[in-house]
Formats: sequence, structure tokens, C-alpha cells
Amino acid sequence: QVQLVQSGAEVKKPGSSVKVSCKASGDTFRNYAITWVRQAPGQGLEWVGMIIPVSRATHSAHKVQGRITITTDELTSTAFLELSSLKSDDTAVYFCATVWVTASGPEYFQHWGQGTLVTVSS
Amino acid sequence: DIQMTQIPSTLSASVGDRVTITCRASQSVATWLAWYQQKPGKAPKLLIYKASTLESGVPSRFSGSGSGTEFTLTISSLQPDDFATYYCQQYNSYSYNFGQGTKLEIK
Repeated sequence: QVQLVQSGAEVKKPGSSVKVSCKASGDTFRNYAITWVRQAPGQGLEWVGMIIPVSRATHSAHKVQGRITITTDELTSTAFLELSSLKSDDTAVYFCATVWVTASGPEYFQHWGQGTLVTVSS
Repeated sequence: DIQMTQIPSTLSASVGDRVTITCRASQSVATWLAWYQQKPGKAPKLLIYKASTLESGVPSRFSGSGSGTEFTLTISSLQPDDFATYYCQQYNSYSYNFGQGTKLEIK
């Protein structure tokens, strides 16, 4: 079973960038895709993006395209989400999760990190 | 993008009740649908995938059904630990949209 541990809370100014990490343990990192989901205060879940480590292919939500970079470091089994040109409505808890991948492609989100609060405020 | 709509948004029920939450997709997602449970301040937890397959370790009082555009999550006999918010999610396309959530409250 995979365990995911995320980096700590961040406070950023509008227009700046943030980089959040997600370290995996307990299983082979390359067996999964890694996805990022965010949740604004009091709101629902919003898919942000995904990386498939084996191919390094990435996919992202329209809302953040052009501002998001998702990478992995297989040596440390760590995934990273970088979001640039931050706006106040990027304020949210950001979760990473493993994605079960089959021949059909990435599927459901199986194991989750504890979440990282990113606050964007002047 | 495929839009997901959950009905109802809030549901009040008592321990022991049978409850059903509905999730509708704006276009067919076949059976590429998952259900998650989230408690305040915690990460979501996978309950069901492929519309009706129970994730390992999830109690059998949870069940899912449906295909195409209409799906249901049923809890056969509510337990105190089940009061939480539930989300459906489609994974038919690279948008992975969630429903808006259904908050299950104690009556």
C-alpha cells in the first residue's frame, strides 16, 4: 500500500509561484500515475492535473493550463506540482493521489496525501 | 467537459437508515465512475470504482450501481461513521470532473 506525504502549508503573493511536493513510500513509484486535486475553502473537489511517471506524459485542467507544471523525481519517489501566476482563487488545499492505471489509461484515485494548504494573499 | 451533478446536495438521515445518492453525467461515461467519502479536514477516501466495485476494506453496506449517465451510491444501514460528504467522479475522459458533493447529516 502506498503512503503519500505532502509538504507544508505555503503563503504566497499574487503573481508568484508555489511548488508543492508529494513523497511516496510503500510501493514502486512507477506503478502509478500521480494526480493533483484541490479544494477551495468550503468548496468541492476540483481536478487540477496528472502525470504518468513511466511516460512522463502530463494532463491538466483547462482552468490552470499554461500555469501548471507537474514533475516527478523517481530517485526520491516524489511528485511536484508547481503553479505560477498565482491568483486569490488558487487558494485551496492541494491533495496528491495515486491513480490506478490500466490498459484503458488512468482511472480512479486510490491513495491520497494529507493535503497542503496554499494561501494566496497580498 | 463532462459535467457531473449530484442529487441531493444535502441529505439528513438517522443511524440505521438506508440512503441513496444519485449522480448524473452530462454525457455517457459508461461505467467509468468512482465514489469518494470525505470527512472535514481529511483527504477523500475511495469507496467504489467502475461504478459498482467496492474498494478493498470498504464495508459491504456501501454499494454502487448504474451505467451511462445515471449512477447511485447506496448505504444500506447508516452507521455513525458514515456522516460525511460524498463525491462522484467520472474518469471517462481527461477532465476527471467531480460532482458538487452530497453532505450526509445526522437527522
